[in-house]
Amino acid sequence: QSVLTQPPSVSGAPGQRVTISCTGSSSNIGAGYDVHWYQQLPGTAPKLLIYGNSNRPSGVPDRFSGSKSGTSASLAITGLQAEDEADYYCQSYDSSLSGGGVFGGGTKLTVL
Amino acid sequence: QITLKESGPTLVKPTQTLTLTCTFSGFSLSTSGVGVGWIRQPPGKALEWLALIYWDDDKRYSPSLKSRLTITKDTSKNQVVLTMTNMDPVDTATYYCAHSLYSSSWYNDYWGQGTLVTVSS
Repeated sequence: QSVLTQPPSVSGAPGQRVTISCTGSSSNIGAGYDVHWYQQLPGTAPKLLIYGNSNRPSGVPDRFSGSKSGTSASLAITGLQAEDEADYYCQSYDSSLSGGGVFGGGTKLTVL
Repeated sequence: QITLKESGPTLVKPTQTLTLTCTFSGFSLSTSGVGVGWIRQPPGKALEWLALIYWDDDKRYSPSLKSRLTITKDTSKNQVVLTMTNMDPVDTATYYCAHSLYSSSWYNDYWGQGTLVTVSS
């Protein structure tokens, strides 16, 4: 059970906009620690999608955007495409765990 | 171009110690601000952060696994080694190493392909 909570699944039709939430607490997101997002296609390693709450690495389409407010963060995907069907994970740091990072439980995106 | 690759046994017996090596290229682990982390993923389950070693040899571990994990680096060989003691079938997972940077929290911008480790007698 992760300290960062994501919905197990979301879905949307091609062309639509979907959002994936990542809910934390005052010891992680709420404490000001940045949130990062990864996309994991079936059978492959995760790929960095968003870093520092809202920054896209080179090569990531601008259909993907991230935001953070209070103790939560969100990943938004606009103009949904079939190839976006994947698992999505948020990551941050939790000061109560004294480790290096924590992941959310992941969200399966299904493109209808 | 940054690349990382994990290597180690694919099968270990319960109670044995697992040793995984991450061999990387395209960066130096003596560069300020750089780290290499290990993350695992049991089949069909979520990612789990395990450990991280910094350029200055500082180390961080998952609190739940700290007593079983050791992370070290060999800068001259461009390698990071993770050992996990007392392996159990629940430790069966794909283990990834990743290049890590800091932005108010650590994130992983380059990942290895992962190596599946099965724990079974």
